Amino acid sequence: AQSVTQLGSHVSVSEGALVLLRCNYSSSVPPYLFWYVQYPNQGLQLLLKYTSAATLVKGINGFEAEFKKSETSFHLTKPSAHMSDAAEYFCAVTPRGYSTLTFGKGTMLLVSP
Amino acid sequence: NAGVTQTPKFRVLKTGQSMTLLCAQDMNHEYMYWYRQDPGMGLRLIHYSVGEGTTAKGEVPDGYNVSRLKKQNFLLGLESAAPSQTSVYFCASTEGAFSEAFFGQGTRLTVV
Repeated sequence: AQSVTQLGSHVSVSEGALVLLRCNYSSSVPPYLFWYVQYPNQGLQLLLKYTSAATLVKGINGFEAEFKKSETSFHLTKPSAHMSDAAEYFCAVTPRGYSTLTFGKGTMLLVSP
Repeated sequence: NAGVTQTPKFRVLKTGQSMTLLCAQDMNHEYMYWYRQDPGMGLRLIHYSVGEGTTAKGEVPDGYNVSRLKKQNFLLGLESAAPSQTSVYFCASTEGAFSEAFFGQGTRLTVV
C-alpha cells in the first residue's frame, strides 16, 4: 500500500528562519503529492500539489516544495518563518490510477519570536 | 459559499448508542471522503465514495457504515459506539481523484 512518512512530529524554528518539513513516499511510480496545513480547530487546506508538471512547486503563503524522484521525497520549505505559520502540516499522496488520499502523521511547526 | 459542511460539530455519546454524521457539499464534487484524526496518527480514511450511489472501504472501516444517496451528501453512521471511536471526524470532497480536497470543519465525537 502507498504510504508517506513525515520525519519529525514537531519542528521548532525562530521567526525569520528557514522552514524545512520533510516528506518521503514509498512507491516505484511517483504518485500525486500534496501538502496540507491545519490551523487549530479547523479543517485542512491545500498548500500545494505536485502532479508531474514541474519538480519545484510553489504554493500559498510563500511555501514551496521540490519533488526529487531519486530520493522519493517532497520536502516543504519556506525561506523565512512567520508567527502565523505555526500550524500542523500534512504530506499526502494519491497513487496514480487511484482515488484515495493517504496522509502522513503530520508535523507540528512551532515558531518562536 | 459554504463549501463542505459537517453536522454536528460536537457530540457526546454513551457506549452502545448510535448516531449519524452528515456531510454536505455544494461544489458538485464527485468524490467524498470520511477521515478520522487522532493525535499522532494523522488522518486515516474510513470510507469514501466516487459518485452518487457508490461507497468503498478505506483504511479503518470497522464499526462504521456510510451512504451516498444524493451526490451532495455523504453520511457516516456509527451503529454501536465504542470509546475507541472517540476522535475528530473530517469530511472532504474533491472534483477528481487528484484534485484539491476541500475539508469540513470537523466533528468532535466523544464516546463515554
